Amino acid sequence: SQTIHQWPATLVQPVGSPLSLECTVEGTSNPNLYWYRQAAGRGLQLLFYSVGIGQISSEVPQNLSASRPQDRQFILSSKKLLLSDSGFYLCAWRGLGQIAPYEQYFGPGTRLTVT
Amino acid sequence: AQKVTQAQTEISVVEKEDVTLDCVYETRDTTYYLFWYKQPPSGELVFLIRRNSFDEQNEISGRYSWNFQKSTSSFNFTITASQVVDSAVYFCALSEALGNKLVFGAGTILRVKS
Repeated sequence: SQTIHQWPATLVQPVGSPLSLECTVEGTSNPNLYWYRQAAGRGLQLLFYSVGIGQISSEVPQNLSASRPQDRQFILSSKKLLLSDSGFYLCAWRGLGQIAPYEQYFGPGTRLTVT
Repeated sequence: AQKVTQAQTEISVVEKEDVTLDCVYETRDTTYYLFWYKQPPSGELVFLIRRNSFDEQNEISGRYSWNFQKSTSSFNFTITASQVVDSAVYFCALSEALGNKLVFGAGTILRVKS
């Protein structure tokens, strides 16, 4: 079966500090991977998605970046955090072929507070 | 452009009441997929159901049922005999047939009181 991991679960960082959030998927190959942010506990904002190693599509211009160094690893980064970067960050995967080719499955999330 | 509207921001019911969460969508595609997700207080989004645009059969899973009507572009979700554990934010979402992305509605907060 497929599982998705995110860490850390919670993070408190000062303004101007760097950020690195990691997401890994097990049990599937060549998944689509996604980073979402949820602010104020409501709407989901798609930040980045990737259809393969090194392939990143950015949905919203901001001071965040994403990388996919391995097939099942997706990293969200920032060089200098802003207060507005606070929120709940969710990673998701979607399979290809016969394995979950339509719906996305989400990880447990990282709650980021920028102080 | 695709769009999903969940007009109900928040709904409060008393346990054992039935509740319907509305979802209206817009798309120009003839083939598309609709989804419902549940986000409990823990935060993780849980996939509930996927419906294909060419299958308008309603679906029932335990206390959950979904009514898909292409004529009104709606994909509503009903919880029968609600329970406190149903308290969560519920999201409706849409994707095109070969699309890589989901378009989410703003979500509906459901509060079930005992």
